[in-house]
This record gives sequence, structure tokens and C-alpha cells, in this order.
Amino acid sequence: NAGVMQNPRHLVRRRGQEARLRCSPMKGHSHVYWYRQLPEEGLKFMVYLQKENIIDESGMPKERFSAEFPKEGPSILRIQQVVRGDSAAYFCASSITAYSNQPQHFGDGTRLSIL
Amino acid sequence: AQTVTQSQPEMSVQEAETVTLSCTYDTSESDYYLFWYKQPPSRQMILVIRQEAYKQQNATENRFSVNFQKAAKSFSLKISDSQLGDAAMYFCAYRSGGDDKIIFGKGTRLHILP
Repeated sequence: NAGVMQNPRHLVRRRGQEARLRCSPMKGHSHVYWYRQLPEEGLKFMVYLQKENIIDESGMPKERFSAEFPKEGPSILRIQQVVRGDSAAYFCASSITAYSNQPQHFGDGTRLSIL
Repeated sequence: AQTVTQSQPEMSVQEAETVTLSCTYDTSESDYYLFWYKQPPSRQMILVIRQEAYKQQNATENRFSVNFQKAAKSFSLKISDSQLGDAAMYFCAYRSGGDDKIIFGKGTRLHILP
């Protein structure tokens, strides 16, 4: 059973460019969560999506960040016009249901570096 | 708002010894889950142990066990017979029963001394 797959593992962008981070959930999982980890910090929730729907985006910055989880294909976290402060590790997790007694399984993360 | 506090940024323990990592949390909920995650240098997030708030019995997983004090809102992790592979960042985390997000503490970096 493949786990949560995130790619790329490392992504380097220059200020002002766009970053696209991909997450393929575990097989059979239709719930995806994105978290951001700043250096020397814990993970912070960004957004929760179910197929084709954003359920909770309370942790997403209001500008430049967007997320989608289409019917077919991986979930995408998109950051437009990146700035130095966007440098972080971005983790995706998936679960089989939204019930909190079901664990969230994490991917290995994408480390985004902004030059 | 719920919060998770880890007051020990770093700890060290001699190999084969026992170490306890502290965690306190704040919530007004009665239905919630608590977790300890391990993040080695590879940056994977590995679930070490999980505790349901309604269970009085402390969770254990091999060398890992917790001391869950619900009234005190304390959730410490004990690692017995520490091994070099236990060196990592350890995050305490909370999830409300009615919520989708996990709330993480800032972490404790554990060093294992050979």
C-alpha cells in the first residue's frame, strides 16, 4: 500500500514565481489536509479538502495561496508570487473519512526554498 | 482556542536510559485525541502513539508510553531503553473530536548520547 505521495521533495523558486505542490493521498482516501512547517516550528494547519470541495480553509493566508483537489488527480497547493517568508516545509495528510477517530497519514513533505 | 505547549525545546538522554517529554494542552472540549509524532532528520512525520481522551488507561506502544492526566491537561511521553534511532524532534499534538485540524506544539528535540 503506497502511502501519501508528495512531489516534488524539494522545490526552489525565485521571488515572484509560482510554486505548485502536489499530493496524492493514500488509496481510498478522499480527505486531504495541508500543513505548513516553518523552521524550528510545529506544523500549522492550512486547509482541508474533500474531492472537489474546500471544507475548511481557516489556516490559509488570504492572498496568493490556493488549493484544489479535483475529481481526478492529485491535490495541488498553489502559491503565487512567492516571497522569502514562504520558505517552509509543506506537508500533506490524508484520511479515509473525516471522523476524528480516523488517523491522518502524512506524506514526507515538500521543502520549498525561495531565493 | 486550543493550544499545545511543549516547554522543553531540547533534551538529551544517555542510550538505554529512560526519558520523559512534557506536554500540556488547553481545551474546553471533552471529546478529543492526543498524539505524539516523531520527526527524524528525514522530516517524515511518524505517529508514535495516540490517546483518546475518553480512555482512562494510558496508551503504550512497545518502548513508548504516555502519562495522560486529563484534569491537569498533561500528556507526557516516556521513552524507555532509549536507542540512537530515537533521536528526532518530537511533537505533541491535539485534535478535537469535532474538528478536522490537528494542532501541534513547537516540538522537543531529543538527543541520544552514546
